[in-house]
Amino acid sequence: AQTVTQSQPEMSVQEAETVTLSCTYDTSESDYYLFWYKQPPSRQMILVIRQEAYKQQNATENRFSVNFQKAAKSFSLKISDSQLGDAAMYFCAYRGYSSNTGNQFYFGTGTSLTVIP
Amino acid sequence: DAGVTQSPTHLIKTRGQQVTLRCSPKSGHDTVSWYQQALGQGPQFIFQYYEEEERQRGNFPDRFSGHQFPNYSSELNVNALLLGDSALYLCASSLYGAANTDTQYFGPGTRLTVL
Repeated sequence: AQTVTQSQPEMSVQEAETVTLSCTYDTSESDYYLFWYKQPPSRQMILVIRQEAYKQQNATENRFSVNFQKAAKSFSLKISDSQLGDAAMYFCAYRGYSSNTGNQFYFGTGTSLTVIP
Repeated sequence: DAGVTQSPTHLIKTRGQQVTLRCSPKSGHDTVSWYQQALGQGPQFIFQYYEEEERQRGNFPDRFSGHQFPNYSSELNVNALLLGDSALYLCASSLYGAANTDTQYFGPGTRLTVL
């Protein structure tokens, strides 16, 4: 079964600084999708960024970018110019592309990000 | 554009009771997935509904069942509640078969407490 590991339960960053959240995953599939979701205290899970495994170019969304290393099965999230509103729990997620896994998402255990003013 | 909505927001039940949670997908979406998120954990996939049928199921017992209606809304039913069923239940919607079906959009969740 696919597994997603986030080894950093908690991280903190000074406002306006840069922080990187780590994620590794295990899969035997060659095609898949990877995501970072943000869950603030309001509980609503918000999509931050997505990456298609067949694309070598790292995805970027404004201040958020990823470092996707397919061979290493690593998918880290970089947040630049951190803002107070970035404080939340961040989840890394995997979605396969085969009939076995279908549309099922596999989530990591999350990283709680604190932004220090 | 209406996002994913869930009701109720909070629910308190006692062991052995049954509960029904509801979800309306994002406008234009036809697929609904349900997740259980225990405190301090990531969401765990329960099952997914498309065309009013359960298409895929995670590792959850038969006490967890669901339904999808012709308007694509969905219900999650849990019978014989256990203390361990206390969690945040998330609904996510997507569009089956479209180019971006990889992306799911989540609702705010229902917090279930079993006493």
